Amino acid sequence: SQTIHQWPATLVQPVGSPLSLECTVEGTSNPNLYWYRQAAGRGLQLLFYSVGIGQISSEVPQNLSASRPQDRQFILSSKKLLLSDSGFYLCAWSGKLQVKAWSQPQHFGDGTRLSIL
Amino acid sequence: GQQLNQSPQSMFIQEGEDVSMNCTSSSIFNTWLWYKQDPGEGPVLLIALYKAGELTSNGRLTAQFGITRKDSFLNISASIPSDVGIYFCAGRSGNTPLVFGKGTRLSVIA
Repeated sequence: SQTIHQWPATLVQPVGSPLSLECTVEGTSNPNLYWYRQAAGRGLQLLFYSVGIGQISSEVPQNLSASRPQDRQFILSSKKLLLSDSGFYLCAWSGKLQVKAWSQPQHFGDGTRLSIL
Repeated sequence: GQQLNQSPQSMFIQEGEDVSMNCTSSSIFNTWLWYKQDPGEGPVLLIALYKAGELTSNGRLTAQFGITRKDSFLNISASIPSDVGIYFCAGRSGNTPLVFGKGTRLSVIA
């Protein structure tokens, strides 16, 4: 069965420090991968998605970046964190069908709670 | 861009009552998904809908893909305390990433 792992579960970082959050998926190949941010009491905001290695699409302008160095690894990074980067970050994956690549539902990891001081 | 309106924003109900929530979109969708999120965890998929008019159940949960393709409904029958959480609708049209509603926070009073 497929599983998705995110780490760390919680992180406290000072303003201006770098960030690296990692997400890996097991039990599937060539998944679509996603990074979301969820502000307290709010919905999910899509930050990045990837349909393959090295292919990253950004949904919103920000000081975060994403990379996909391996098929089942998705990394969220920042060179200098801002206070506004605080939130709950969720990684998700979905499978692909040959014809309807986007029709598969997304499955989420347990999230990383990021607090910026 | 596409927008989803999810209502109600929050609900307080007695244990045993039925619950209804809905989402409407500004454009036609070809997929509707319903998720539940417990505190401090990621959302978990409850029901996926792919066809207008489709009615799908998952235990006490039933969701429908609206005929107009611009709305979807989630019903929970005979609520229990573990139904507490935030319920999100999500949808997409064409080959675009999912759009999420802002969630319905459900509280169940025993």
